[in-house]
Amino acid sequence: DAGVTQSPTHLIKTRGQHVTLRCSPISGHKSVSWYQQVLGQGPQFIFQYYEKEERGRGNFPDRFSARQFPNYSSELNVNALLLGDSALYLCASSLVGGAGEKLFFGSGTQLSVL
Amino acid sequence: GQQLNQSPQSMFIQEGEDVSMNCTSSSIFNTWLWYKQDPGEGPVLLIALYKAGELTSNGRLTAQFGITRKDSFLNISASIPSDVGIYFCAGRVQGAQKLVFGQGTRLTINP
Repeated sequence: DAGVTQSPTHLIKTRGQHVTLRCSPISGHKSVSWYQQVLGQGPQFIFQYYEKEERGRGNFPDRFSARQFPNYSSELNVNALLLGDSALYLCASSLVGGAGEKLFFGSGTQLSVL
Repeated sequence: GQQLNQSPQSMFIQEGEDVSMNCTSSSIFNTWLWYKQDPGEGPVLLIALYKAGELTSNGRLTAQFGITRKDSFLNISASIPSDVGIYFCAGRVQGAQKLVFGQGTRLTINP
C-alpha cells in the first residue's frame, strides 16, 4: 500500500509568488496535517484537517491556507512568498485525527524561494 | 507555548556502541513519539509511548515515557551504519493531535 504521497517533490519560486502543495493520505486515513521544517530544525505544525474541516492551526500568518477534499487529499497554499518560507513542507496522515493516533509523514516538498 | 529540548544536538560514535538521547518539556505531554529522518525524506515513526513510565522496544531501539510526563528517552543498542540520521522526539498534549518536535539529534557513526 502506498504511504503518504506529496507533490511536487521540489519547487523553486520567487518572492511574491503563490504556491500550491498537494498531499494524498494513506488509504483509509481521513485526517491530514501540514508541517513546515526549516533546515536544521524540527517540523512545526501548520494545519490539521479532518472531514474537510479545519481542526487546528499553528502560529502561521494568514498567507498560509489549506483545504481538504472529499477524497481526503489536501492542498496547502502559500501566498506572497517570502524568502523565509523556504523549507521542507511535510504532510502527515492519521485515521481520524484523534489525539492518541500515530502520525505518518510523507517525504515532503522542498520549497526554495529566491 | 510548549517547547522541547532535545539533547545532545549531535553524536559521533563508533559502530557497535550504544546511544542515548533524551527530550525534556516545559509542559506535560500525554503522548511521546520518536522519529528518524534521513536526508531528503520525511520523518519515519520509530516508537510511540502513551503512559507515564512506559518502556517500549522496537528491535535495538528502546524508548521510555518519563514518570513526570515531561521527558522521554531513546536508547539504541549496538549501533550499525544504517542508524545514521537525525532523531526527533515529539510530544502531544492532552486532547490535541498536533505534535511539538524537538530540535533533533544528529547521529554519525565512524566506521
